[in-house]
This record gives sequence, C-alpha cells and structure tokens, in this order.
Amino acid sequence: GQQVMQIPQYQHVQEGEDFTTYCNSSTTLSNIQWYKQRPGGHPVFLIQLVKSGEVKKQKRLTFQFGEAKKNSSLHITATQTTDVGTYFCAGPSGGYNKLIFGAGTRLAVHP
Amino acid sequence: DTAVSQTPKYLVTQMGNDKSIKCEQNLGHDTMYWYKQDSKKFLKIMFSYNNKELIINETVPNRFSPKSPDKAHLNLHINSLELGDSAVYFCASSQLGGGNEKLFFGSGTQLSVL
Repeated sequence: GQQVMQIPQYQHVQEGEDFTTYCNSSTTLSNIQWYKQRPGGHPVFLIQLVKSGEVKKQKRLTFQFGEAKKNSSLHITATQTTDVGTYFCAGPSGGYNKLIFGAGTRLAVHP
Repeated sequence: DTAVSQTPKYLVTQMGNDKSIKCEQNLGHDTMYWYKQDSKKFLKIMFSYNNKELIINETVPNRFSPKSPDKAHLNLHINSLELGDSAVYFCASSQLGGGNEKLFFGSGTQLSVL
C-alpha cells in the first residue's frame, strides 16, 4: 500500500541551531499536511501544501512541497525549546479517502 | 470550548475486560475518525465515519467496535482487551472527510492493559 516515509526519526539540536525533517511518498500527492505533537499532547495541524513547488512560511518554520509533489520538507530556523515535539507529515491515500501519516520526527532542543 | 473532546484521558484495565472511549466534536464536522498511536509514536487510522456511516475500517480486530449515534459523536468499544491494545487512542474530525482535509484531534486516551 501507499506509504509516507519520514526522516530522520530523531533529531537532537542545540537551541539556536536549525532543523529539517523530510517526507517522501511513493506516489504523487494531491496535498501534504504537517502536524506537530508536543510531548504528552495531541497532533495539531500546522499547514497544508497543495501546489507543485509551493513554499510557505510561518515565522521560523518553512514548508516546501516538491515539484513532483512526492516529497516535502519542514525547516525550522534557530530552534527554540518551544519547538520540542514530534513533527508529522501526512498525505492522502491512493483512494483519497483517508490521511496517512509518516512515522514522525522527534525533535529535542537542548538549551 | 474544546473542539474535539474524548473521555477518559487515562484508562488502566486488566486483560480480558471490556472498555469504551467516548468522543464528541462541536465543530459541525461530517467525518470522525479513530487513530491509534503506538509506543513509537506511529499514528495509524482505525476507523472513519461520515455522517454516522462507516467509511473506513482498517483491518482492525473485530474486538474493536465503533459506534456513531450521530455525526457529532463517535465512540469506541473494545472487547476482551489484550496487552497489545495498550496505546494512545485519538479521536479526530474533519469537515467533509477524505485525505484532502485537515484533521482536528482530541486530546487522546492513554489505554494501559495490564
């Protein structure tokens, strides 16, 4: 079945360093979504990308959707301790009837 | 007001017991879901209901039975609990349904089967 692969699984950074997580799909996606889950919390929607090559920014977060609409990335500039959590990408299944999630990237930020 | 609320937040029970988790959304959404998150944080869809109708049933053991009395509620009943059922269960909702819409998640129910 369709999979959404996400790397790395874990990332430890010093506060102030940058962080990037990557997402790849075996098939072309109509859209890709990103969620953040704080420790002990629930996934919270961050953004949705729809267009080929799309780039969106939210303060220190930059989201990209690949030209072929098969990959995406989330880049955080100058991480802060408030960025700690697990970041998930998610894309529609082949039948578009459900959202499937990548395995997530767990970010730890050391002050 | 909490958009998607589920209860209980924690559930500790013995193997073989039957338990239920309740979920309610006040967003007026048509579609509700149950996701299971294992100890490695992997999120896997279990069920999806659109306006009380079952849309997705992802090869989940039939010990798990969802029930949607109306489109604002989706409950999950689990029979004969097993150790492997220990996980965090998230309820979620979306406006219409499908993989093109963002999900709103509840705060989760951490189920521990002893």
